[in-house]
Parts: sequence; structure tokens; C-alpha cells
Amino acid sequence: GNSVTQMEGPVTLSEEAFLTINCTYTATGYPSLFWYVQYPGEGLQLLLKATKADDKGSNKGFEATYRKETTSFHLEKGSVQVSDSAVYFCALRGINYQLIWGAGTKLIIKP
Amino acid sequence: NAGVTQTPKFRVLKTGQSMTLLCAQDMNHEYMYWYRQDPGMGLRLIHYSVGEGTTAKGEVPDGYNVSRLKKQNFLLGLESAAPSQTSVYFCASTVGPTYNEQFFGPGTRLTVL
Repeated sequence: GNSVTQMEGPVTLSEEAFLTINCTYTATGYPSLFWYVQYPGEGLQLLLKATKADDKGSNKGFEATYRKETTSFHLEKGSVQVSDSAVYFCALRGINYQLIWGAGTKLIIKP
Repeated sequence: NAGVTQTPKFRVLKTGQSMTLLCAQDMNHEYMYWYRQDPGMGLRLIHYSVGEGTTAKGEVPDGYNVSRLKKQNFLLGLESAAPSQTSVYFCASTVGPTYNEQFFGPGTRLTVL
């Protein structure tokens, strides 16, 4: 069946460091892929998406490329800020249009 | 435009008690979802609705019931709460199944003692 695996957290970085949060998936076909972010005390919100292989999603300095050969959708940012501290969720849209979620990765940015 | 709102924000129940969580959206979305979020497990779909008057089971429906009597509201009921239902509950909505974004409410933190 479909599944999403994310790197375990928390990930702790200093401000202006480079960020990578790994996400790999198992799915039939080529599902749409998403990164959602959950700031403390809030619901999830869409950060970026990619709907086909080799697409790059980007938003707020974050990027992720849909890599079908490695079934991955890693989240990257060149220089993180304290305000990026949040929980990040990778997800894919399954064959019945439901979202399949990773476990989430907590990111802590220290000033 | 409030988006997706959830009531209540926090609740503590004793085992066996019942309660209803209310989700409301003002975006005229057809699809609505109830998820639970547990540490280390991401979000798991409880029930969902593809339109007014329709509901369907998700991944973890046992112990929950739902109703969608009005398009803008989606209610989640716990008839006899159990400690295993201690979780954070999120409601979400979207335009339709192929639309890329789900819009989430702020969540309800439920503790069952």
C-alpha cells in the first residue's frame, strides 16, 4: 500500500544553517506530493506541492523536487530562521484521493 | 472569512462520557475530513464527507460517528470515550478530491481520563 516515511526529529539547527528533511514514499503510479507545515498551536497549512516527476515545488524559501527514481521528496532551505521552527509533514495523495501522511518532523531553530 | 473553525479547543472527558466536536467552514467546500494526530504517527483519517448528507469511513473509524447535515458543518461524535481516544483532532476541508490543498482548523485537544 501507499506510505510515507520521514526522518525522525527533532532536527535542531542554528539560524542561517542549511536544512534538509528527508521524505521517501511508496506508492503505485505517480502520486502528487506535498509538504505541510504546522506552527505551534495551529493547524496544518500547505507549504508546497509537486504533481509530477521532476517538478520542483517552492514557497517561502523552501524547495522540494519530486524524484521518481529515488521515490523521494526531500524538503530543503538554504538559510533557516527562528520563525521556521515548526513540525513539517510530507504527504502523498493516494489512488482514492486521500492524503497519506508521514509522521512529521519537528524542526527547532536556535538563534 | 474565518476558514475552518473547530469547537471546542480543549476538552477533558472521563471514560464512558460522550461529546461532539464541531467543525465549520465558510469556503463552500464539498469535501470535509476528520483526522487525529498522535505523537510519532502523523495524521490518521477518521471519517470524511464528499458532500452534504454523505459520510464515509477513513483509516481509523472505530469509536467515532459523524454527520454532515449542512454543507458547512461536519460533526464528530464520541459515544463512549476511551483513553485511547486521547489525541488532537483536526478538521480539514477542500474544494474537491483532485484539488491540491486541504485547509485545516486549529485543532481540538481531547484528553480522556
